[in-house]
Amino acid sequence: DIQMTQSPSSLSASVGDRVTITCRASQSIIDYLNWYQQKPGKAPKLLIYGSSSLQSGVPSRFSGSGSGTDFTLTISSLQPEDFATYYCQQSYSTLITFGQGTRLEIK
Amino acid sequence: QVQLQESGPGLMKPSETLSLTCTVSGGSISSYYWSWIRQPPGKGLEWIGDVYYSGSTNYNPSLKSRVTISVDTSKNQFSLKLSSVTAADTAVYYCARERAYSSSSGYFDHWGQGTLVTVSS
Repeated sequence: DIQMTQSPSSLSASVGDRVTITCRASQSIIDYLNWYQQKPGKAPKLLIYGSSSLQSGVPSRFSGSGSGTDFTLTISSLQPEDFATYYCQQSYSTLITFGQGTRLEIK
Repeated sequence: QVQLQESGPGLMKPSETLSLTCTVSGGSISSYYWSWIRQPPGKGLEWIGDVYYSGSTNYNPSLKSRVTISVDTSKNQFSLKLSSVTAADTAVYYCARERAYSSSSGYFDHWGQGTLVTVSS
């Protein structure tokens, strides 16, 4: 299995802050890394696919980067609706795995 | 706009077989992979497996001995069966459309709302 490790597990930030979440794979996954946002009681929502491609309809304050084993999701200026849990997911292997999640809370 | 809707029982007893169906509307089930993903209360996401519209499947090895995923293109539906459930199978179960991105798997661009399945005696 390819293990996906996110850091931090939780994060407190304020509206307007720039926030970065990291995801590390246990082996190279090239750029087959995707990011999701999940709000309480809701299904996850795709934000970024292929490490850096913005899904249609997702605000441009979200961006992704990285290749190999290390990836980042950046929110350039936090908005109130961005407080949620974020998950990374690798699509390099037939066995799809997710990171454990990063909970983004209001400071 | 593609929409997915899970259906099935919300409460089960240990040792029973969980059966869920996902109905796809607003688009064809053809030419895509379709996945089941679950999330235990308060925990992270676990991919269960997927099915191509042709019927070929991939399963998570941790569940493979208990899982069957199938597709019915005539009804635009795909289904999950998980046998011998225990309390550890209590989770919200999501169905999702998987867009192939690598030669192995893909990302999930459309999700159902999820259905909570509780296993309790």
